[in-house]
This record gives sequence, C-alpha cells and structure tokens, in this order.
Amino acid sequence: SAVISQKPSRDICQRGTSLTIQCQVDSQVTMMFWYRQQPGQSLTLIATANQGSEATYESGFVIDKFPISRPNLTFSTLTVSNMSPEDSSIYLCSARPGKYNEQFFGPGTRLTVL
Amino acid sequence: SQQGEEDPQALSIQEGENATMNCSYKTSINNLQWYRQNSGRGLVHLILIRSNEREKHSGRLRVTLDTSKKSSSLLITASRAADTASYFCATYGGGSSNTGKLIFGQGTTLQVKP
Repeated sequence: SAVISQKPSRDICQRGTSLTIQCQVDSQVTMMFWYRQQPGQSLTLIATANQGSEATYESGFVIDKFPISRPNLTFSTLTVSNMSPEDSSIYLCSARPGKYNEQFFGPGTRLTVL
Repeated sequence: SQQGEEDPQALSIQEGENATMNCSYKTSINNLQWYRQNSGRGLVHLILIRSNEREKHSGRLRVTLDTSKKSSSLLITASRAADTASYFCATYGGGSSNTGKLIFGQGTTLQVKP
C-alpha cells in the first residue's frame, strides 16, 4: 500500500487568491491524481499528474485554474487559482503503483473560500 | 457520466444488523474497488475485486461481483456504530477507451445506530 500525506489539511481563503496543496507519497508510484469532492457529492477527477510533463486534465478543468506539478515519482502539487466560493471543496490526492492496482488516497484538503 | 451507480443512496440500520450496498457500472472492467469515507475525510481503501473473481472477503466485509449484470455488492456483517460512513464503489473506465482512470459512483451513506 501507499501512505499519502497532504498539506494543508484545511484552509480558509479569500476570493481571488490562490492556494497550493502539496501531496507526498511514501513510495515511488507510477500514477498520481487529483480529485475534487464538492459538499455532499462524490469524487470528480480533476487531472492526472504526469511526472516530468504537463498534467492531463479532465473535461471542465483547465491548467490556468488548476496548475499541477509533479517533479518526481513521490510528490505533486495542485494550485487552485483565483479562487471563488464555488471552489470550496475537499481536494484529494491519489496514487497507485501501476495501471490497475489498488488506488490510495490522501486525507484531503478542506478548502473554504469566502 | 459516472461509471458506478450505488443503491441505496442512504441506509440506516441498528448496530448488529447487516448492511448491504449495491453498485452498478456501465462498461467492462478490470476490477472494482470499494472505499469508505468518514465524515468528509480521506478515502480508506477497503477491497479490490478483480473481474475474474466472484466473491471476496475481508474481515466483516464481503464483496461480490457479477460481471454479467455489471453489478457488485458490499455486505458489512454485524455492523458497528464505527461503520457509520459513506461507501463508494469505483472502477476504471472500460472498453476500448480504457484510460486507467478511476471513476466513482455516487456513494451510499450508512448510518449505524447504537
């Protein structure tokens, strides 16, 4: 299994600002992902974080709004840019060793935008 | 659209009773995973069942998979108050466009009353 940590665990931000969330995995993993969970909803995939190249975004998510970095096989960051109250959600980092292995999740970052 | 759909959306039972949650999906799969989420926190991986397996056990958890009906069930036996959580099924998008992305159902909210 993979143990995933995220920082910060929660934050309250002002409209128009940006927040960068860090994700650290305790072992090298092939694939890392970022998900969003809006209040009372299921998880929606934002993007696949690709090591050494640009992230692959899902429909409805763009790089300007959610820039992602993945400098190595154990670390990734997600930035939520120019935030609005609609961005208030839990953001979850996820990782798995191979294409069809178990996928593990971090504890999430609870973001509130005022 | 969501790959997995869960039923029921909410379930309330007494401690000691069994809880059954169902998940249906739309395309062929390599495996199906079940997760638990306590009160808006990170997801805990419960069990992965492969497409060539029909049943799998882990402690008080029993998962079945019927690929002909494209459905899975999660049974929690002798439930405890600590089992109160949301439960999600998730599959990798299947078929010819299998991208290896894990897609979640809407989840079942389970309340176990002491």
